[in-house]
Formats: sequence, C-alpha cells, structure tokens
Amino acid sequence: DAKTTQPNSMESNEEEPVHLPCNHSTISGTDYIHWYRQLPSQGPEYVIHGLTSNVNNRMASLAIAEDRKSSTLILHRATLRDAAVYYCILRDGNAGNMLTFGGGTRLMVKP
Amino acid sequence: EPEVTQTPSHQVTQMGQEVILRCVPISNHLYFYWYRQILGQKVEFLVSFYNNEISEKSEIFDDQFSVERPDGSNFTLKIRSTKLEDSAMYFCASSSGYPNSPLHFGNGTRLTVT
Repeated sequence: DAKTTQPNSMESNEEEPVHLPCNHSTISGTDYIHWYRQLPSQGPEYVIHGLTSNVNNRMASLAIAEDRKSSTLILHRATLRDAAVYYCILRDGNAGNMLTFGGGTRLMVKP
Repeated sequence: EPEVTQTPSHQVTQMGQEVILRCVPISNHLYFYWYRQILGQKVEFLVSFYNNEISEKSEIFDDQFSVERPDGSNFTLKIRSTKLEDSAMYFCASSSGYPNSPLHFGNGTRLTVT
C-alpha cells in the first residue's frame, strides 16, 4: 500500500479553522484519498474522500494538490468535539477494499 | 442513521479460553471487517469477509481466529485459545458494495485476557 505521512499532533483553538496536512508522494493513479477520525473511546469514523478535485461535505473540506502528492483536511470551525486522531489513508477505488491505518494526527482543541 | 453495533462492550476472559465477539453490521451492507487496536497503538486490519467467505486477511489473523456470519445479520469473530497479547479493542466494520463506499465502524469490544 502507498504510504502517507502526517504530523503526530496539532493544536487548534476552538472556533478557528484547522488545516491538517498529509503527504502521499507515492500515490498511484487509482488511489483515492480518504480521511477518517477516531474520537476518544470510539471506533474510527469516515470524514471525507476524494480523487483529484477538492471536496466538501457537512463535516469538512478536502483540498488535493494538483500533482496529488499531498492533501489537506480542513475543519472550518473547530469545536471541542473535533478533538480526535485524524487518519489520511490511500485506498484503491475497488469495492470492498480494506483500509490501512497509520499513526494519524492527534488534534487537540483548546477552549 | 443506521449503525454497526458490537456486543459485549467489554469482555474479560482467562488465557486459553475461547471468546466470541459479536457484531451486527448495517443491514444492506455486503462487506464486513474486523480490526483491532492494542492500547496506544495503531488500528490494525485483521480480516475482510464478502459473499460468505474471507476475501482478505492479515498476518495477525492466524489459525486461532475465525469469522462467521451465522444467520444473515450477525458477524462474529472467534478466538479459540486467547493469549495475553490478544488484549485489545476489537472493531467491526461494514461497507456497501459500491466502489469507494466508506467503512462504518462500531464502537468496539474491549477484550481483556488475564
């Protein structure tokens, strides 16, 4: 599996935007970029995914570099509930493929 | 919103005993997965299951582990003879049959082997 690199931890202030970076320089043409998060004492939760174009949903935005070697997850207004470990994962587009989790970025949100 | 449910939330067992962890995936999903997370470590893939058979498994998923979908709604993970190092959170997940469909995870079963 192609690997991703994320900072171990980041801090943010409540109600401010957060930009979580991810590097994936060895991404292949069929890899989609997925983001999941894991709140304390819970299972991982899907956030967003994309292939080439930027994506928005109710939880976050995903900005993908033109060469696809990096991406950024954007939380527009962090809340205390957004404190979690955020995982950037490359996944082939075929149905049923599993996810390979790395270490992720631990996001701390200060009131 | 439909969700994946896992029971029990916490299971304590003695070394060498068999345990069965239970999961009810989302009803119209076709792919099922088990993951585990040892305390303080990464979430690790164990096995995926589709069309009543294992589609992929990791090196962790050795002969001590088995999975079953006994009745069309439950999905179980059995560990035949537990070891201390099997202590972990075990997460079940399911996804639909569509390409790139996300995995929906349960909140896990904490297994403690003493």
